[in-house]
Amino acid sequence: NAGVTQTPKFQVLKTGQSMTLQCAQDMNHNSMYWYRQDPGMGLRLIYYSASEGTTDKGEVPNGYNVSRLNKREFSLRLESAAPSQTSVYFCASSEARLAGIQETQYFGPGTRLLVL
Amino acid sequence: AQKITQTQPGMFVQEKEAVTLDCTYDTSDQSYGLFWYKQPSSGEMIFLIYQGSYDEQNATEGRYSLNFQKARKSANLVISASQLGDSAMYFCAMREGASVGAQKLVFGQGTRLTINP
Repeated sequence: NAGVTQTPKFQVLKTGQSMTLQCAQDMNHNSMYWYRQDPGMGLRLIYYSASEGTTDKGEVPNGYNVSRLNKREFSLRLESAAPSQTSVYFCASSEARLAGIQETQYFGPGTRLLVL
Repeated sequence: AQKITQTQPGMFVQEKEAVTLDCTYDTSDQSYGLFWYKQPSSGEMIFLIYQGSYDEQNATEGRYSLNFQKARKSANLVISASQLGDSAMYFCAMREGASVGAQKLVFGQGTRLTINP
């Protein structure tokens, strides 16, 4: 099992360019999440998908869109990148049906994005 | 207001000593979950331990234990017999509300732990 995978690992964009960050999980989890981590800070939720076919905004959704392509895949799109979006982006997944340790979110390795 | 507060930006500990990383949280919900994650210099987020608000016993997982004091709203991580490989950033996180659907986590700002040989 690969767990949660993310592509690309690193990307440099110019202001105004667009790109899509890809995420896939092989744990058959229902829920998937996108976070960003800025230097010296904890993670902040951008968007999440409780189940296939649904998406919702998190704490910092502005400037992003998401697509839950199927149960395995959840992508994050930057339509017009800005320097403020320079960050490390993490995808995560969880089994959301029950409270308890089963609800633990498992994270991908992250994508480092630099917007010039 | 901060929902998760980690008051120790950095800690330095001698190898083999025990270390306590502080975490306080703010919620009015009765049902919530608390998590600790480790982020080594390589950058990945590694799940360490979980504590549910209704759990009567403190969670333990190998060398990790959680000192859960519900009335004080604190969930401190205790690492026993620290090792050089424990050097990393440690994040406390909370899931509020009933766990139906996706669980939105709120993270603290982290504590950087350095283990000295």
